[in-house]
Amino acid sequence: DTAVSQTPKYLVTQMGNDKSIKCEQNLGHDTMYWYKQDSKKFLKIMFSYNNKELIINETVPNRFSPKSPDKAHLNLHINSLELGDSAVYFCASSQDGRGYGYTFGSGTRLTVV
Amino acid sequence: AQSVSQHNHHVILSEAASLELGCNYSYGGTVNLFWYVQYPGQHLQLLLKYFSGDPLVKGIKGFEAEFIKSKFSFNLRKPSVQWSDTAEYFCAVRGGGSQGNLIFGKGTKLSVKP
Repeated sequence: DTAVSQTPKYLVTQMGNDKSIKCEQNLGHDTMYWYKQDSKKFLKIMFSYNNKELIINETVPNRFSPKSPDKAHLNLHINSLELGDSAVYFCASSQDGRGYGYTFGSGTRLTVV
Repeated sequence: AQSVSQHNHHVILSEAASLELGCNYSYGGTVNLFWYVQYPGQHLQLLLKYFSGDPLVKGIKGFEAEFIKSKFSFNLRKPSVQWSDTAEYFCAVRGGGSQGNLIFGKGTKLSVKP
């Protein structure tokens, strides 16, 4: 049973296109997140959602918009894709509380050409 | 704001060598500390975490880490590495209340030569 699942695993698209990445967790966790991992492997948080409410948005361009239809899903929609958006995007989820780590999805490798 | 520093960018070891990866964090309040591993082409997996209690934490695959509060450090260790430990290792800190974010260091790439 996959705990946090992301689709698609790979996404190749042209500049200017709009694309979405889906994420679902079956762990009953309270909060879901999107992280971006750049070519240097640096992980940076983009968004987190708790009970359908966006609680953190870290200086991410407004071309990126998270959409959460329910507690188990957090999709990432990207408008007008740019070359610099090429990266691996990881979805994660966690229980509330500092003592809990995050469970990560397998990642979506986005390549903008 | 909290931050995490991993001083070693790339560590190269031979099999059976001992490993220590440095991690220092910056945060004024109570934190919880984590080490994640990312094998080539895969997602992040939790190796171990420190929440409270014994500062020496044992994780999976023979890894351990020691929380030294006075030094703001949480170094990862393994007495004898294997080729299969080749991966990227990330230290992370979570603080700032029940909904504090998990903030990652920039990672340390470990290459183990057979």
